[in-house]
Amino acid sequence: NAGVTQTPKFQVLKTGQSMTLQCAQDMNHEYMSWYRQDPGMGLRLIHYSVGAGITDQGEVPNGYNVSRSTTEDFPLRLLSAAPSQTSVYFCATGTGPYNEQFFGPGTRLTVL
Amino acid sequence: RKEVEQDPGPFNVPEGATVAFNCTYSNSASQSFFWYRQDCRKEPKLLMSVYSSGNEDGRFTAQLNRASQYISLLIRDSKLSDSATYLCVVLSFAGGTSYGKLTFGQGTILTVHP
Repeated sequence: NAGVTQTPKFQVLKTGQSMTLQCAQDMNHEYMSWYRQDPGMGLRLIHYSVGAGITDQGEVPNGYNVSRSTTEDFPLRLLSAAPSQTSVYFCATGTGPYNEQFFGPGTRLTVL
Repeated sequence: RKEVEQDPGPFNVPEGATVAFNCTYSNSASQSFFWYRQDCRKEPKLLMSVYSSGNEDGRFTAQLNRASQYISLLIRDSKLSDSATYLCVVLSFAGGTSYGKLTFGQGTILTVHP
């Protein structure tokens, strides 16, 4: 079992480019979420999903889109990258928000 | 005011020391509480859940004080391997939905030295 996988591990974008961060889990968890982590800010929730076809916004959703067509996958799309989106992005999954969250290894994104 | 606040530290303690971290939360309707540990450049991992009656796991003790809206983590007999960032996490339910959301504190850095 791979658990939670994220690709790519590192990415450098230019301002205005778009890209998709991939997240996949083989734990059959319904709850999945995306966070960004910035120095001094902790992890901030971007979007989350309680099951296939259901997504909702977190604390900092602007500039990001998500969809959940399958239980396993929860991609995060950056529509038009900005330097303010330079961060470490973590995907997490769990049976629900009230139980242990399992995090992927993260994607380090730099926007120039 | 941040929903979840922690002293960022750093806390520098010798091996064998006892160290305690506090975390305050602003939403009195918060439901569940957790401590996560994050090693440098790694993903967070659950350390322990925090129960109303307090709970212990080996050298780690977690306490919840709902009246004062804070949780604490006590580490006894610190080891070098305890060096990490400790994240306080609170589960709340947003108005109008039944979907809970987790809010993370910014983390407290602990360094244990020989």
